[in-house]
Amino acid sequence: AQSVTQPDIHITVSEGASLELRCNYSYGATPYLFWYVQSPGQGLQLLLKYFSGDTLVQGIKGFEAEFKRSQSSFNLRKPSVHWSDAAEYFCAVGGGYNKLIFGAGTRLAVHP
Amino acid sequence: NAGVTQTPKFQVLKTGQSMTLQCAQDMNHNSMYWYRQDPGMGLRLIYYSASEGTTDKGEVPNGYNVSRLNKREFSLRLESAAPSQTSVYFCASSGQDADTQYFGPGTRLTVL
Repeated sequence: AQSVTQPDIHITVSEGASLELRCNYSYGATPYLFWYVQSPGQGLQLLLKYFSGDTLVQGIKGFEAEFKRSQSSFNLRKPSVHWSDAAEYFCAVGGGYNKLIFGAGTRLAVHP
Repeated sequence: NAGVTQTPKFQVLKTGQSMTLQCAQDMNHNSMYWYRQDPGMGLRLIYYSASEGTTDKGEVPNGYNVSRLNKREFSLRLESAAPSQTSVYFCASSGQDADTQYFGPGTRLTVL
């Protein structure tokens, strides 16, 4: 069955520290992979996506993610976190007919 | 260009009441989706419409109906609301860029 696992429910980092959010997926074919961010009370905004080609993808707000087929992972990274990055982050895999399967989310808190 | 809009933003219902959530997009997208978001569970697909005139069930369709009124509009109806339907509902749409979905701001629904 197709699924997405985000092992960390909550993560707290200090402002300026590096960040890595983990995402593992289970999918039968070559996946389309996404990271979305949700600020409190808001909808979801696309950070980046992987369809094919270069396995290191760059997104908005200084985020990047690396697709590792051998590990079924698509981890999100940022070298230096800003207080405004505090939000909830969702990893998703694209299924048939454009349906997305989401992970449960990782809530990021940033300490000054 | 408003993107994806949803009405209402908030709604409180009593058990057994009915209501319709409205969604519209102005990006000329073919596909539209309804998700619900519950704490610790990410987003789960309720129904989707791959193109005008077609609808299909997602992961959690029970208790809901949908109508793809035209290419722009996709509504979600609760015929007899239950407390288990208390959630935040998101509408999304996607176009030629396979599987990239754009989300509305959400409707927060409480069923008492």
